[in-house]
Amino acid sequence: GDSVTQMEGPVTLSEEAFLTINCTYTATGYPSLFWYVQYPGEGLQLLLKATKADDKGSNKGFEATYRKETTSFHLEKGSVQVSDSAVYFCALSSGGSNYKLTFGKGTLLTVNP
Amino acid sequence: GAVVSQHPSWVICKSGTSVKIECRSLDFQATTMFWYRQFPKQSLMLMATSNEGSKATYEQGVEKDKFLINHASLTLSTLTVTSAHPEDSSFYICSAGTDIYEQYFGPGTRLTVT
Repeated sequence: GDSVTQMEGPVTLSEEAFLTINCTYTATGYPSLFWYVQYPGEGLQLLLKATKADDKGSNKGFEATYRKETTSFHLEKGSVQVSDSAVYFCALSSGGSNYKLTFGKGTLLTVNP
Repeated sequence: GAVVSQHPSWVICKSGTSVKIECRSLDFQATTMFWYRQFPKQSLMLMATSNEGSKATYEQGVEKDKFLINHASLTLSTLTVTSAHPEDSSFYICSAGTDIYEQYFGPGTRLTVT
């Protein structure tokens, strides 16, 4: 079945540091890939997505590239801010009629000033 | 746009009672809603998929008689935890799907069973 593995946290960085959160997946067919962010006390929000190989999703300075050859979708940001502190979830959807999402375990990011 | 609400945000109930959680899409119509359970420091686990006007599809290992799901309209789905026990204490999250690539998530409901 489908599965997502992402690096375990917590990750603690200083403001303006470079961020990488690794994510690899196992899926049948050609899934769509997502990064969701959960700020404290809030629901998950879609951060970015990529629907086919070599696509790059980007939003709010975050980027991730769909690498089919390495089955990866690593999240990066060149300069993190305190406001980026949140839990980040990598997820995939194999499509079909019910848009089922499979999530990784989440990575807690804390950015210190 | 694309806001999903849940009510209540936090509920405490006694063991053996039932609790209903509502999930509403406020500004769009959702043909499909999903219910997840999230344990502390764990990922979201999909419990069931709810399609408007039809029976919910439950994931393997989820007791359909214990977690009753009703999706009566395009903007409302409810999850009822029947005869709740302490092990049912968890964070329950719903989401609503508008297309094949995106789901919008509610803020979650924390259930504590005493």
